[in-house]
Amino acid sequence: QQQVKQSPQSLIVQKGGISIINCAYENTAFDYFPWYQQFPGKGPALLIAIRPDVSEKKEGRFTISFNKSAKQFSLHIMDSQPGDSATYFCAAIAQGGSEKLVFGKGTKLTVNP
Amino acid sequence: NAGVTQTPKFRILKIGQSMTLQCAQDMNHNYMYWYRQDPGMGLKLIYYSVGAGITDKGEVPNGYNVSRSTTEYFPLRLELAAPSQTSVYFCASSSSRASNTGELFFGEGSRLTVL
Repeated sequence: QQQVKQSPQSLIVQKGGISIINCAYENTAFDYFPWYQQFPGKGPALLIAIRPDVSEKKEGRFTISFNKSAKQFSLHIMDSQPGDSATYFCAAIAQGGSEKLVFGKGTKLTVNP
Repeated sequence: NAGVTQTPKFRILKIGQSMTLQCAQDMNHNYMYWYRQDPGMGLKLIYYSVGAGITDKGEVPNGYNVSRSTTEYFPLRLELAAPSQTSVYFCASSSSRASNTGELFFGEGSRLTVL
């Protein structure tokens, strides 16, 4: 059973455009949602994270939107740049719970110049 | 800062061979993890450790073993390698506080091919 569903699997955006990656979860115990960015040949690195009591969190060109009632959250990359080309993973964890961090399957983003 | 260091970066094994993937961290993190990453499948947790001498199974532990004798090192042992173990393996660590928020530091990965 896939605990965090991520879409799309791949995404191609023109430079300056908006990249949107969506995730959905079923486990209502999840209460912290980090996003990871992975460049080719490298390990994932924490990009941005959100708690469910916040509907939106912005860090530079990266914004997480969170819809608790729908159990969905998304990553928006504004003014996408070729340097943003990477694989993005959404993830979820229940703080204080026995379950460990669970990842979505990833979205490969390509930003064309 | 070195962070999380994995060796080797690449390895080809024959079916039935055994090997150990090495992982070391210099951040004094209590929590350490081993993940495998397969194309289009995300990251799957193999084993994790909450401190020296304590390890536990993750989602996909079959065919692997771990040990944690010190805080710094967390090797992953593959016994009787099979083609299904062809993957990229990532070691990660986190502090006790950050373990609750999924703030993991990853190594650069070890790409293993079993032929």
